[in-house]
Amino acid sequence: QSALTQPASVSGSPGQSITISCTGSSSDVGDYNLVSWYQQHPGKAPKVVIYEGNKGPSGVSNRFSGSKSGNTASLTISGLQAEDEGDYYCCSYAGYSSYVFGTGTKVTVL
Amino acid sequence: EVQLVQSGAEVKKPGESLKISCKASGYSFTSYWIGWVRQMPGKGLEWMGIIYPGDSDTRYSPSFQGQVTISGDKSINTAYLQWSSLKASDTAMYYCARGGTVRGAPPDSWGQGTQVTVSS
Repeated sequence: QSALTQPASVSGSPGQSITISCTGSSSDVGDYNLVSWYQQHPGKAPKVVIYEGNKGPSGVSNRFSGSKSGNTASLTISGLQAEDEGDYYCCSYAGYSSYVFGTGTKVTVL
Repeated sequence: EVQLVQSGAEVKKPGESLKISCKASGYSFTSYWIGWVRQMPGKGLEWMGIIYPGDSDTRYSPSFQGQVTISGDKSINTAYLQWSSLKASDTAMYYCARGGTVRGAPPDSWGQGTQVTVSS
């Protein structure tokens, strides 16, 4: 399986909204509504910010939202804050108990 | 509270064997799969494989099939990742992660990571 494609970097000013795309295929993103998004700060373990496409875990800011269109899933961060800086990865179910991660996106708050 | 606690950092020589662990608590261990994820220095996340602790059924990513072994011991709620002969290219951070609640859902909880360094 090939990694899902994400932009290498996305930046925005405090208060702005940014969107990170995650493009797969009809065998993963397009076939299942089972995409999660993870935030990773340097030296830390990944933390889920969106699961099952558009659900927010308890304890995670509702500024994070997810959506999907065809073979592309998206993560939107609204009201960007300094603490949102970090790396973001998408992950999709790909059938037969297999999963595939995205290439990762570095988010910078200007 | 779901917790996955991994074993500590390891420094090994090429050719040595290694087994790292992931102890689960706060939920029914046999009801959720546990997976392993590799992150090489400065790189992204890579899916290695999963185990269903209830019946020990394991599935591997093609990239890792034959390179590692995933196992579990449901009597002590612990999953393992092992190598029989390490290579320098195995140097990485390894995370265990628990499957989501819905069948097929990606991980919803992660361990803190185990750093493995392989150097002569």
